[in-house]
Amino acid sequence: TQLLEQSPQFLSIQEGENLTVYCNSSSVFSSLQWYRQEPGEGPVLLVTVVTGGEVKKLKRLTFQFGDARKDSSLHITAAQPGDTGLYLCAANFGNEKLTFGTGTRLTIIP
Amino acid sequence: NAGVMQNPRHLVRRRGQEARLRCSPMKGHSHVYWYRQLPEEGLKFMVYLQKENIIDESGMPKERFSAEFPKEGPSILRIQQVVRGDSAAYFCASSPFQDRGFSGNTIYFGEGSWLTVV
Repeated sequence: TQLLEQSPQFLSIQEGENLTVYCNSSSVFSSLQWYRQEPGEGPVLLVTVVTGGEVKKLKRLTFQFGDARKDSSLHITAAQPGDTGLYLCAANFGNEKLTFGTGTRLTIIP
Repeated sequence: NAGVMQNPRHLVRRRGQEARLRCSPMKGHSHVYWYRQLPEEGLKFMVYLQKENIIDESGMPKERFSAEFPKEGPSILRIQQVVRGDSAAYFCASSPFQDRGFSGNTIYFGEGSWLTVV
């Protein structure tokens, strides 16, 4: 059974600060997606990373895929209240289904 | 995200009743996935279907749960004789046909169906 662990589980920071959340596995994954979910809604895809060492930027969000394809990180610069939500990583381990991480619940305090 | 349509959005059932959740994938998508999310938890894979075929049901409980994706019409997740522990958000997702060699299987989620068993 492949497991994805996310850390931290909860994070509460002041508006304007930077933060990083992590997604780790003991198994190699073929691709990884990051999603954000708000209460009462479905997960919304932020990015897909496929190549080891890949870095993608989406405005103030920077996503990195580890060289060994076992980990990924999401860095947010100058966090804003609108960034508040549940951040989920999800990986393909060589099959069609996505395995989701445990999630990081982020709260940005104005 | 809005392209995957789920209904009902909210469903209340008494213990012992049946719940039917429907999912219409995005246009052009032939793969459907069902996930369950318990309160304050991540999403757990339940089942993966293509038209008229169940590809992977390794996450489905052995009893009371079934899923189908007929040639015509939406995918249906059916829960018989519901119990309080079935209360959860059920998410459907879809993806287009992918070559088996493709390693980046991006899927798109619907807004979910919230089942409450009373």
